[in-house]
Amino acid sequence: SQQGEEDPQALSIQEGENATMNCSYKTSINNLQWYRQNSGRGLVHLILIRSNEREKHSGRLRVTLDTSKKSSSLLITASRAADTASYFCATDANDYKLSFGAGTTVTVRA
Amino acid sequence: GAGVSQSPSNKVTEKGKDVELRCDPISGHTALYWYRQSLGQGLEFLIYFQGNSAPDKSGLPSDRFSAERTGGSVSTLTIQRTQQEDSAVYLCASSLGGGGVSQPQHFGDGTRLSIL
Repeated sequence: SQQGEEDPQALSIQEGENATMNCSYKTSINNLQWYRQNSGRGLVHLILIRSNEREKHSGRLRVTLDTSKKSSSLLITASRAADTASYFCATDANDYKLSFGAGTTVTVRA
Repeated sequence: GAGVSQSPSNKVTEKGKDVELRCDPISGHTALYWYRQSLGQGLEFLIYFQGNSAPDKSGLPSDRFSAERTGGSVSTLTIQRTQQEDSAVYLCASSLGGGGVSQPQHFGDGTRLSIL
């Protein structure tokens, strides 16, 4: 069964706008990771946030983690057409096995 | 350096045939994972290899599925007597293993398997 679940399932925004997607999970975790998948390609790792961290930034990406609510969010600022992709959160309940959600499909309109 | 390489990129075969999918991980990565992704879905864990330890096969859906990792490097996922429900994209990933915590995983572009 999937540990992480992303919300919304799909998101369509105008270029330059921000995109926010959320991930909820069920059990305690060590880390939470976000990945991007372009159509027909493999997943690309974006950010890893540890359970004792609350916020992390990488370029135009900002990830938050609230372990009390068992939730995380990914914010993409000033979106570009190249950000069009599916975004997945992945959680670990042990030291190696990641559980992926079904993803959020983001479409950035020019 | 090269990323994770998977072959073939596409495979079309008839129901009942056996198929073999190959994954060449990033050099130096001791951990290797196989996942299955159905259309519009997330990733389903299949099997995990870490160094010389016994693999974690807990995600293999049936005994028709098996995998090997030779010499701690290249891995082969074999599906015997394929069925139409086996149609999916099979993704391989590798990572620096050990340390007791999950690591970022590096993915290949997958093998798109279609069973006729």
